[in-house]
Amino acid sequence: QTVVTQEPSLTVSPGGTVTLTCASSTGAVTSGHYPNWFQQKPGQAPRALIYSTNNKHSWTPARFSGSLLGGKAALTLSGVQPEDEADYYCLLYYGGTWVFGGGTKLTVL
Amino acid sequence: QVQLQQWGAGLLKPSETLSLTCAVHGGSFSTYFWTWIRQPPGKGLEWIAEISKSGSTNYNPSLKSRVTISVDTSKNQFSLKLSSVTAADTAVYYCARNLASWGQGTLVTVSS
Repeated sequence: QTVVTQEPSLTVSPGGTVTLTCASSTGAVTSGHYPNWFQQKPGQAPRALIYSTNNKHSWTPARFSGSLLGGKAALTLSGVQPEDEADYYCLLYYGGTWVFGGGTKLTVL
Repeated sequence: QVQLQQWGAGLLKPSETLSLTCAVHGGSFSTYFWTWIRQPPGKGLEWIAEISKSGSTNYNPSLKSRVTISVDTSKNQFSLKLSSVTAADTAVYYCARNLASWGQGTLVTVSS
């Protein structure tokens, strides 16, 4: 069974920069996994931020960016705002099926 | 702007079949893929199944034997059925278009 691993929690100061990562138990994450990133705030449905590694949706704030970093998918927030405090999930594609990471709880403090 | 409206029974007994429908308002229905995702209370997201514009389907291997996803293009709707539910299937279920636009979520509770 494929496992996708994210940091359980991270803390960042307002205005700072933080990188969340997403690793695959099958090996290095590549563009062929079409990494997606989602943000979820309490009581809300998830909101899509990034698709296919580094593509932003029309509503994605410019401070969010996606990349591949050291064999993992990465989501970088630059100039973090208080409203960025949320849970973040990555999603990877495995030839017909998708697997979510366990999520990262980002605290802005 | 596309909107996804979903509905279905919110309380089921063990062994019953979960049935949810997602209606798509706005935008073309036939040019995307359609997904169901769930989230148990206090836990993370789990991908359940998807159906493409051509009607081809993919399922989470752990749920495949119990899940059916279907689409009704004449009504701009797609549906999820999950048979033989147990308490472990208690979750908020979401529908999504292209993983980008999501429904509001439906809480389904399985309890005797």
